[in-house]
Amino acid sequence: DQQVKQNSPSLSVQEGRISILNCDYTNSMFDYFLWYKKYPAEGPTFLISISSIKDKNEDGRFTVFLNKSAKHLSLHIVPSQPGDSAVYFCAASPSSNTGKLIFGQGTTLQVKP
Amino acid sequence: EAGVTQSPTHLIKTRGQQATLRCSPISGHTSVYWYQQALGLGLQFLLWYDEGEERNRGNFPPRFSGRQFPNYSSELNVNALELEDSALYLCASSSLGRKQFFGPGTRLTVL
Repeated sequence: DQQVKQNSPSLSVQEGRISILNCDYTNSMFDYFLWYKKYPAEGPTFLISISSIKDKNEDGRFTVFLNKSAKHLSLHIVPSQPGDSAVYFCAASPSSNTGKLIFGQGTTLQVKP
Repeated sequence: EAGVTQSPTHLIKTRGQQATLRCSPISGHTSVYWYQQALGLGLQFLLWYDEGEERNRGNFPPRFSGRQFPNYSSELNVNALELEDSALYLCASSSLGRKQFFGPGTRLTVL
């Protein structure tokens, strides 16, 4: 049973345009969400996070939106740059703080020059 | 500020052997987490150590074990290696919050 799902394995956008990566979750006990970026042969790099008490968090070119009723979050990257090409993972943490992050399968973003 | 470091980068073992992977957290971080990323799969939570104690473990057999040292560094041990243990093993650390910062990983290959 996959509790965090990223239904799009890949996404391709033009440089300068917006990239929107989506993530759905099933467990209503999740109250903290994170996005990570991963390049090949490297560990995941933390990008941005959001608590369930908010519906939006912004950091530079990155904005995360949370829709609790739909159990859906999205990551917007504006403007997209070729260096953003990587695998993006969303992760969720339950309110009981088990130390465990539950990851989606990842979406490969390609930003074309 | 130095990030999370892991050693070795690559490790090749044969079935039945034991593997030991090491992790040094970011300075000031007291929690260390271990994850497994097998080929084609997502990151799966293995273990959480905080202040030298095991706080939680994921759905892995007991031959996956570890410890955390007084300087907060950590070791992951995998006994009786099986072919399906071949994976990227990632270590992460955190301070008081739930934001985890990852190291570059150790690629374990079991032949």
